Amino acid sequence: GENVEQHPSTLSVQEGDSAVIKCTYSDSASNYFPWYKQELGKRPQLIIDIRSNVGEKKDQRIAVTLNKTAKHFSLHITETQPEDSAVYFCAADGPNSGYSTLTFGKGTMLLVSP
Amino acid sequence: DTAVSQTPKYLVTQMGNDKSIKCEQNLGHDTMYWYKQDSKKFLKIMFSYNNKELIINETVPNRFSPKSPDKAHLNLHINSLELGDSAVYFCASSLSRGEAFFGQGTRLTVV
Repeated sequence: GENVEQHPSTLSVQEGDSAVIKCTYSDSASNYFPWYKQELGKRPQLIIDIRSNVGEKKDQRIAVTLNKTAKHFSLHITETQPEDSAVYFCAADGPNSGYSTLTFGKGTMLLVSP
Repeated sequence: DTAVSQTPKYLVTQMGNDKSIKCEQNLGHDTMYWYKQDSKKFLKIMFSYNNKELIINETVPNRFSPKSPDKAHLNLHINSLELGDSAVYFCASSLSRGEAFFGQGTRLTVV
């Protein structure tokens, strides 16, 4: 099945700095790559996603890039704010004969200090 | 009008008991999932259920069994609970290759 590796596990930045989280996946047939944010005690929620026919996607302060050849994708957060502090998960949706099997990375705890 | 709802939110039970967690989605999605989130926050997929086809993560003990009476429901039944089953269990749903919406989670504590 699909295997998703995510780095770093913890990331501390100062408010206003940029943060980058990187993920790799194993199955070259995967074609959907979402990013989720999970605040303490809450459910994961989608913040941005990208499909394999696109190399980059941006939404205000967050952007995601995808390199299909290298099988890696990254989340970029600019001008970080304390409310960005949370656990971020990347995921890949493997092909698995047409069924969705969303596999998550192990998460990155982002801490933004004022 | 909650999109994905799961009950109960908290569940405390003794080792050896059998318990169920219910999940319902009103989004018309064709795929539902169960994830286990342990103390290290790792979201591990347990089951993926699409149009009555079940994809099982082979590492899940057979004490765990998903039951789907219809496309809008995917319940999780756990037999002979063990201490190591303590975790937060999330139900989610999506359209194939689409955004997954998560339920609020069920914090299971086995004592």
